[in-house]
Amino acid sequence: GAVVSQHPSWVICKSGTSVKIECRSLDFQATTMFWYRQFPKQSLMLMATSNEGSKATYEQGVEKDKFLINHASLTLSTLTVTSAHPEDSSFYICSASPVVTEAFFGQGTRLTVV
Amino acid sequence: AQSVAQPEDQVNVAEGNPLTVKCTYSVSGNPYLFWYVQYPNRGLQFLLKYITGDNLVKGSYGFEAEFNKSQTSFHLKKPSALVSDSALYFCAVSPTSGGSYIPTFGRGTSLIVHP
Repeated sequence: GAVVSQHPSWVICKSGTSVKIECRSLDFQATTMFWYRQFPKQSLMLMATSNEGSKATYEQGVEKDKFLINHASLTLSTLTVTSAHPEDSSFYICSASPVVTEAFFGQGTRLTVV
Repeated sequence: AQSVAQPEDQVNVAEGNPLTVKCTYSVSGNPYLFWYVQYPNRGLQFLLKYITGDNLVKGSYGFEAEFNKSQTSFHLKKPSALVSDSALYFCAVSPTSGGSYIPTFGRGTSLIVHP
């Protein structure tokens, strides 16, 4: 199957700093990628849809100035958590769909803000 | 709006016994249905999907699921559980219209297989 690589797997940062998470589709092109947030023992919450060459589409309640998404190419989307605070600590997962009936997920990024 | 219900937070089963993880859904029109498995601190791994055709879908690691349109269910099953099957399982639904894959996930069911 297709591979989606997410980096880093885990990161610890100080409160007030920014963190960038990368999501790459390794063997297919993805015009659309998705970013999710997952709280402990809870489901995935869709944060935004990342569109190559255009602005991301954010879900209701997600601060677009806090979570900056850039889809610079057909194989790369980045999520930047700006001015991170402890409440931003979470597990972030990206996914990409080579076809409309399937999606592949990155391995996730554990963000801890101290 | 589409939704997915996984009524059990946790399912416990003895190794070698059959397992079932339940999922019901609500969506306008025909659904695409999926099961994913998540191991600790990892992303989701695809298990199987129903798009159309045979209601019984076979997937990875010996798992299968049956699409039941009248009951709007898509329960995940395996004839003989392994300890290594212990993980978090997510059911997801995506509408077939609109041309995009935007799934809605259930809250997840923790499967614990006891030796």
